Amino acid sequence: DIQMTQSPSSLSASVGDRVTITCRASLNIRTYLNWYQQKPGKAPKLLIYASSTLQSGVPSRFSGSGSGTDFTLTISSLQPEDFATYYCQESFSTPLYTFGQGTKLEIK
Amino acid sequence: EVQLVESGGGLVQPGGSLRLSCAASGFSFSNYWMNWVRQAPGKGLEWVASIKPEGSDRFYVASVRGRFIVSRDNSKNSLILQMNSLRGEDTAIYYCARDQGKRFVPGWFDAWGQGTLVTVSS
Repeated sequence: DIQMTQSPSSLSASVGDRVTITCRASLNIRTYLNWYQQKPGKAPKLLIYASSTLQSGVPSRFSGSGSGTDFTLTISSLQPEDFATYYCQESFSTPLYTFGQGTKLEIK
Repeated sequence: EVQLVESGGGLVQPGGSLRLSCAASGFSFSNYWMNWVRQAPGKGLEWVASIKPEGSDRFYVASVRGRFIVSRDNSKNSLILQMNSLRGEDTAIYYCARDQGKRFVPGWFDAWGQGTLVTVSS
């Protein structure tokens, strides 16, 4: 089974900051990596798929990169609505999937 | 508008059964792989099961294999999760999610329901 490890597990930042979240796969998953945002009491929302493709309607301050085992989600300038928990998901094993453990982004 | 609405959650005793439903609308349900994803209280997301558009292929996370059955009724645009032999560790919010992938083409979950809470406790 593929293991997905996110770092950090939690992060404090301020509005306007540039933030990077990392996701590492236990084996080479090429670019089969997706990112989701989840706010308290809400369902997850797709942000980025296939490592770097922005889902329709998602602000351009979100970007993704990486291939192989190392991936990053970057928020270029944090907005108040961006404080949430972020999850990566590998799709190399489609139709089986594994999520990372999540990164909670909090206001400093 | 794409909509997924789960129902059927509730309180059940250990060893009991529960049937979850997900009603889909706003898209051609029969063309998509569908998934169940769960989230235990205060924990992260865990993929549970997926099912092929025709319903013939089904896949499960190891912890539920042999206890849960995913099925679908394309005539009713409905996804089902039959959960048997429930355990305390199955307590979670259960989400249905639409998959943009194919059998050997990696996908992503672009539409989610609001979730239904399953609590397994005596």
